[in-house]
Amino acid sequence: GDSVTQMEGPVTLSEEAFLTINCTYTATGYPSLFWYVQYPGEGLQLLLKATKADDKGSNKGFEATYRKETTSFHLEKGSVQVSDSAVYFCARSGGGADGLTFGKGTHLIIQP
Amino acid sequence: EAEVAQSPRYKITEKSQAVAFWCDPISGHATLYWYRQILGQGPELLVQFQDESVVDDSQLPKDRFSAERLKGVDSTLKIQPAELGDSAMYLCASSLDRGREQYFGPGTRLTVT
Repeated sequence: GDSVTQMEGPVTLSEEAFLTINCTYTATGYPSLFWYVQYPGEGLQLLLKATKADDKGSNKGFEATYRKETTSFHLEKGSVQVSDSAVYFCARSGGGADGLTFGKGTHLIIQP
Repeated sequence: EAEVAQSPRYKITEKSQAVAFWCDPISGHATLYWYRQILGQGPELLVQFQDESVVDDSQLPKDRFSAERLKGVDSTLKIQPAELGDSAMYLCASSLDRGREQYFGPGTRLTVT
């Protein structure tokens, strides 16, 4: 079935460091791809999305490019802040009728 | 900004008891989803509604779980009887229509003792 694999955490970085969180997905169908962020005690918030190959999603300094050839959707940010500390989930559409299939999440910790 | 509401936020129940969770989607959203998120894992879809109809409940453990959305607005997810393995975060999400962006509520954290 459909699946999403993302790098395991925790990932610990210093403020202003460059961030990459790797994500790969199973290539069945033509999925849309998403990154969600979950802050402590809160629900998931959509961070960015891409609906077709070579699309780049971006929001709040984060970017991810839909790479069909490598079935990847890696999340990047040039300079992280302490406030970026959260759990990040990569997801693809196609989990059930319209449900999303999520990765296990990557806990990001940014130290001042 | 409109939000998906869920209650309760936290629930502790004993094994074999019944428990229910409530979700109120964003007004006008036709599609409603229930996900279960086990600690350290990503959410997994349990059931999807389009208006009052179930679109997908293939991952819902129907021997103990039930879900309804009688008037096509708010929804209730029930577990009876609860088991220790049901301890998780239960997330509700809604979208304007099928295939549209999903907005998540804050979740209900269930602990079964």
